[in-house]
Amino acid sequence: DTAVSQTPKYLVTQMGNDKSIKCEQNLGHDTMYWYKQDSKKFLKIMFSYNNKELIINETVPNRFSPKSPDKAHLNLHINSLELGDSAVYFCASRQMGGIAGYTFGSGTRLTVV
Amino acid sequence: QQQVKQSPQSLIVQKGGISIINCAYENTAFDYFPWYQQFPGKGPALLIAIRPDVSEKKEGRFTISFNKSAKQFSLHIMDSQPGDSATYFCAASKSASGSRLTFGEGTQLTVNP
Repeated sequence: DTAVSQTPKYLVTQMGNDKSIKCEQNLGHDTMYWYKQDSKKFLKIMFSYNNKELIINETVPNRFSPKSPDKAHLNLHINSLELGDSAVYFCASRQMGGIAGYTFGSGTRLTVV
Repeated sequence: QQQVKQSPQSLIVQKGGISIINCAYENTAFDYFPWYQQFPGKGPALLIAIRPDVSEKKEGRFTISFNKSAKQFSLHIMDSQPGDSATYFCAASKSASGSRLTFGEGTQLTVNP
């Protein structure tokens, strides 16, 4: 039973298209995150939601828009995709204030051609 | 600026040897220091974590050593095995609400049989 699941796992699309990535967690956590892993494997936070409220919004182009319909789901919509958006996007969740660490999904590899 | 610096970038160890990965942090407000292990095509998975009130934590073959005054912490993998070959990330965060994990750059560990 997957704890943090992301769909799709792979996404290949052309420049200028709009795409969405979905994330769901069944851990009962109240906080979810989007991280971007670049070609050098560096992990950088993009957004975080706590109980559907946006609490972290890093310097990310406004072409990226997260949405959290409930605390178990966090989606990422990307408009007007650019070559530089190619990366692996990871969803993660945790219980705010808890001692346990973050649980990551298996990632979505986005390739913009 | 990079708040968590990790070294080395890559490490090759013989089976049975000791793997050591080092990290240094800048923000003295950090109070949670986890290590994550990432296999190709997978998301980072929590390996072991430490808080600054202890200087060492051991779980099986994995040990974190923590030096609060030097703002450094390290991961030691004893009796390294080929199955340990992966990318390892140190990270740091504050427990406070709204915190995020700040990752090091990652270390690609290869354990030769």
